[in-house]
This record gives sequence, structure tokens and C-alpha cells, in this order.
Amino acid sequence: GENVEQHPSTLSVQEGDSAVIKCTYSDSASNYFPWYKQELGKRPQLIIDIRSNVGEKKDQRIAVTLNKTAKHFSLHITETQPEDSAVYFCAAEFWGKLQFGAGTQVVVTP
Amino acid sequence: DAGVTQSPTHLIKTRGQQVTLRCSPKSGHDTVSWYQQALGQGPQFIFQYYEEEERQRGNFPDRFSGHQFPNYSSELNVNALLLGDSALYLCASSQRDPLNEKLFFGSGTQLSVL
Repeated sequence: GENVEQHPSTLSVQEGDSAVIKCTYSDSASNYFPWYKQELGKRPQLIIDIRSNVGEKKDQRIAVTLNKTAKHFSLHITETQPEDSAVYFCAAEFWGKLQFGAGTQVVVTP
Repeated sequence: DAGVTQSPTHLIKTRGQQVTLRCSPKSGHDTVSWYQQALGQGPQFIFQYYEEEERQRGNFPDRFSGHQFPNYSSELNVNALLLGDSALYLCASSQRDPLNEKLFFGSGTQLSVL
């Protein structure tokens, strides 16, 4: 069955530094990989996504890379700010449903 | 343009009771998916509805059932509640026709089973 593993589970960075979160997936048929940000008590919000025909996508300070051969994808946040503190979830699409990773708690300290 | 709306926001039930949660999808979306998010975990897929039929189902027992109405809104029903059903229940909508995989979540219903 499908499985998404996410690392690390917690990440503490100094403001201005970069943060990287890595995910691996098991099903080679997955073609869509979104990332969600969830602040405490709030809904998950889509921050960036990538499809399997693209290797990298960037949106301002966030970027996602995908290695379909190795079945892993990563989220990169540059110039981190305190408002980037949240739980980040990766996900892989499998036959129309999303399988989520367990999440990464990112703490940005001033 | 209204986003995904869910009701109620919070609910307290006791073991053995039944509960119904409601969801209205984002304007223009025709597909509704339900997820269960336990504390400290990622959302787990329950099922997906499109054209008023259940199209996909995750590893959840038959106590979990749903419905989609002609206006695309949806309900999630859980029978014979267990303590372990306590979680945040998230509704998400997307567009299947034409296909757009982007999934938008509602704020969720926090269910507590005592």
C-alpha cells in the first residue's frame, strides 16, 4: 500500500536560516505532491505543490524539489521568519486520494 | 468566494452515540473528501465523494459513512462512537471535472468522545 515518510519530526532554526524537510513515498504511480502548512488550531493550507513532470518549483521563499526515480521530494524554506513557525505536512497523491506524512514541527527563533 | 465551510466547529459526544458532520465545498468544486486528524498526526483519508457516490475509501470501518448532495455539500456520519474516534475531522474539496488535484481544507470539526 501507499506510505509517506517525513523527516525530521521537529526542526528548530534561527531566523534568517534555511529549513529543509524531506519526504519519501512508496507508490511509483503517484504524480502529485503538495505541501501543507498548519498553524495551531487552524486548517491545513496548501503552500506549494509539484507534479511528477517537473523537477523543481519555486514560489518566493519556498521551493519544492522532486526526484521521481528515488521517490523522494523536499521542501526548502529560505530566509525563515517567525511566522514560518508551524507544522508542515507533505503528501503524495494515490489514485485520487492524498496520503500525508506525519508532519514536521518547525520553530523559527528570533 | 466562500472557501470550504464545516459545521459544527466543536462537538462533544459519549461512547455509543452517533454524530453527523457537515461540509460545503469551495465554490466551483465538485468533489469532497473527508480526513481524520488525530492529535499530533497527519490527516488520514476516510473517503471521497463525487457525483453523489463514494469513489474512494480509506482504512476506516463501516461505522463511518457519508453522503453527497446534488449541491455538492456532504455529510460524514459516525455510528457507535468510540473513544478513539476523538479527533479533528477535516473536509476538503477539489475539482474533478476538469481535473485539478489542488485540495482545499475546511477548518474542521473537533469531535470529543467521552
